[in-house]
Amino acid sequence: DAGVIQSPRHEVTEMGQEVTLRCKPISGHDYLFWYRQTMMRGLELLIYFNNNVPIDDSGMPEDRFSAKMPNASFSTLKIQPSEPRDSAVYFCASSLPDSYPSTDTQYFGPGTRLTVL
Amino acid sequence: RKEVEQDPGPFNVPEGATVAFNCTYSNSASQSFFWYRQDCRKEPKLLMSVYSSGNEDGRFTAQLNRASQYISLLIRDSKLSDSATYLCVVRDTGRRALTFGSGTRLQVQP
Repeated sequence: DAGVIQSPRHEVTEMGQEVTLRCKPISGHDYLFWYRQTMMRGLELLIYFNNNVPIDDSGMPEDRFSAKMPNASFSTLKIQPSEPRDSAVYFCASSLPDSYPSTDTQYFGPGTRLTVL
Repeated sequence: RKEVEQDPGPFNVPEGATVAFNCTYSNSASQSFFWYRQDCRKEPKLLMSVYSSGNEDGRFTAQLNRASQYISLLIRDSKLSDSATYLCVVRDTGRRALTFGSGTRLQVQP
């Protein structure tokens, strides 16, 4: 079975440009999470969705960041305009519905390594 | 104060050694506890859940002390392939998102 799919795997852009990161969760999972990892701050939650609805976006740094989940198999994280301090690895993860056992387990995608020059 | 605190290491141990990692969490409402493993430049992967009674999976033993808000991971008979960063993770009641510690790096040497 395919795991969580993220694209692109690497992105290098210049300050001020728009960046869009994409994620396809595991089929049948109805929770989707966006995390960001940096050396300074570690792995931190940005936002998560349940059944395509945003549940908690308290980790989104500022208005430059936005996330959508138009359907159960696709989510985007957009940064506009990008800044050098946004450079990080962005992970998407998904997990099973509440009705299943072991719903706590989150399956991570390979991440998108973003560099903003 | 960070919600989940870990010693960043690195822990450098010889093959066959026993090594222990500790972690403390600050939110007494935390409900679920885990250890994730992250290899260099890879995504985190679940290593094991941590239960109140303690649990074992092969060479790995996890313990939870709710009163002290303390979690541990013991690795026996370390292998070269155990070299990675070990992330202590908690989930708070009523919330599906995970809170990660900054990780403890382990390097097993031949």
